[in-house]
Amino acid sequence: DAKTTQPPSMDCAEGRAANLPCNHSTISGNEYVYWYRQIHSQGPQYIIHGLKNNETNEMASLIITEDRKSSTLILPHATLRDTAVYYCIVRVDNTYSGNTPLVFGKGTRLSVIA
Amino acid sequence: DVKVTQSSRYLVKRTGEKVFLECVQDMDHENMFWYRQDPGLGLRLIYFSYDVKMKEKGDIPEGYSVSREKKERFSLILESASTNQTSMYLCASLREPQETQYFGPGTRLLVL
Repeated sequence: DAKTTQPPSMDCAEGRAANLPCNHSTISGNEYVYWYRQIHSQGPQYIIHGLKNNETNEMASLIITEDRKSSTLILPHATLRDTAVYYCIVRVDNTYSGNTPLVFGKGTRLSVIA
Repeated sequence: DVKVTQSSRYLVKRTGEKVFLECVQDMDHENMFWYRQDPGLGLRLIYFSYDVKMKEKGDIPEGYSVSREKKERFSLILESASTNQTSMYLCASLREPQETQYFGPGTRLLVL
């Protein structure tokens, strides 16, 4: 089962920042937070991931609360092409014990509106 | 650039047919995965493989088998296709823990 909770849908005006929340209250100390998105009829696309510190890349920023029980993905200037389902996933650090696949929940359907 | 390819984007098969879905990655990744995606159910893991000739069952392996004879190729096999296997099938790969998991474009399978 997915270990994250996300709102099922959100709207965002084009050009505005889209802030997508995710709750992961049972996250363990060795679990990372990953964000993927899936545009209609395509495979999921990696966006960003982090452990404790806030992260930023060319696509988005990831803000993780100090207690790590929730996080927010920020798309700073949403465009129509950002309309997609966004998945927040926690994944354990399995460096020494093999690999664990990503477990996807239902995600948040983000609609960017012109 | 990272690349995961799947043999077909769309496939139509008849009930009882044996179906092969092929996935190839060119990134020398050890780990490969097969998911299926259905409306309202999200992505569910069918099988994964962490090395050549190794396989592990995911959450819904029934009715499926896999083959990993070469590192770059991971095949999903439907021994006898049924209508409830109509779905979008997604292949993915990753190299190590904390690396990102890259997905193929998906194969939309219709079983009649």
